[in-house]
Amino acid sequence: QSVLAQPPSASGTPGQRVYISCSGGSSNIGSNTVYWYQHLPGTAPKLLLFSNDQGPSGVPDRFSGSKSGTSASLAISGLQTEDEADYYCAAWDDRLNAWIFGGGTKLTVL
Amino acid sequence: QVHLQQWGAGLLKPSETLSVNCAVHAGTFSGYSWTWIRQSPGKGLEWIGEIHHSGSTYYNPSLRTRVSMSVDTSKTRFSLKLSSVTAADTAIYYCARGYGAYSRWGQGTRVTVSS
Repeated sequence: QSVLAQPPSASGTPGQRVYISCSGGSSNIGSNTVYWYQHLPGTAPKLLLFSNDQGPSGVPDRFSGSKSGTSASLAISGLQTEDEADYYCAAWDDRLNAWIFGGGTKLTVL
Repeated sequence: QVHLQQWGAGLLKPSETLSVNCAVHAGTFSGYSWTWIRQSPGKGLEWIGEIHHSGSTYYNPSLRTRVSMSVDTSKTRFSLKLSSVTAADTAIYYCARGYGAYSRWGQGTRVTVSS
């Protein structure tokens, strides 16, 4: 069981907005920034957001992030079929002295 | 555009040592952290550890006793060794650049541990 808790699955139809949550604790999300990754099977993960809500160049602004207390959220607006992937949150954990990832959320575009 | 290319043995027997290498092409090697992350079958991502270009290392405490990382700045490559492997170490191993914000990744090396 991951220290960062994510729902195992999420779904939406094209054009919709979906949210993926990431729940942690005071030693990780509560005191450090959150990162989000998109992982398509057979490929390397891709950095979507860093520092809670900052998108690297090249990432569509349809992807946005937020953090409040010990939880974070990834929002994907204008859902597209190519968004179907696994999504992971990550943060540094001060207690474990390690980078930790959420268990991942499999997004299905119906 | 920086490109990470990795290679290593794909099939190991229990108790052997895993070895994966990652070469950094067309990019600055100094000044970055170089990281190893793995994904076991059906599971999520796990941070193994990182090494700075200076050679300083930071390992996941859960793997610390078995992990060793090294860097060769002259060849702009870095390496991972994981000793005494078991079936639980079967995974895709990725090299990546960064500290939390892993912006560049290798293609992944699938490692299977089986007797």
